[in-house]
Amino acid sequence: QQQVKQSPQSLIVQKGGISIINCAYENTAFDYFPWYQQFPGKGPALLIAIRPDVSEKKEGRFTISFNKSAKQFSLHIMDSQPGDSATYFCAAQDSGGGADGLTFGKGTHLIIQP
Amino acid sequence: EPEVTQTPSHQVTQMGQEVILRCVPISNHLYFYWYRQILGQKVEFLVSFYNNEISEKSEIFDDQFSVERPDGSNFTLKIRSTKLEDSAMYFCASSETGENSPLHFGNGTRLTVT
Repeated sequence: QQQVKQSPQSLIVQKGGISIINCAYENTAFDYFPWYQQFPGKGPALLIAIRPDVSEKKEGRFTISFNKSAKQFSLHIMDSQPGDSATYFCAAQDSGGGADGLTFGKGTHLIIQP
Repeated sequence: EPEVTQTPSHQVTQMGQEVILRCVPISNHLYFYWYRQILGQKVEFLVSFYNNEISEKSEIFDDQFSVERPDGSNFTLKIRSTKLEDSAMYFCASSETGENSPLHFGNGTRLTVT
């Protein structure tokens, strides 16, 4: 019940295209859903996050879509650029405990081809 | 921009030895975390720390592990009697307020147990 399932495992998109990464969860206590971007040799960096009171959040080229009833959320990267090539992790948290850890998905290795 | 710093960047140790991984969280942050990422796998929560005590720990964080904030700036993870399967990237993270506040990760320490 603590799992966050992420797909696809890897994704190749042409420059200028839309990259879409999907995640699903089961624990209905999760109430915070961040996406992290990780470059080789670096730690994960927060990209964008959403709470379940909204269905969509957009920041620049990055959009999270959230479907509470389906317990799914996705990351859309518009006009994908080679610099977006990285590993992306979705995560979820039950913030009720205050310091609860994030549960991460297994990651998506995204390659943007020039 | 303030960042979480971790030392060393790479630690090689022999099986059965003790290692201490060090972290300096962002100075005004109150919550501290350790995560682990086995090569090519997802990031896994180990432990969270607030107000000089452990707030939450995962099942991975057994008696082999301990954390400490020995002074006002450092946050350490000690692994006793290391095993081959402890080989991984260990990431320290901190957040300002814990609940729903962004986690800032360091660049990690690569631990290799031989």
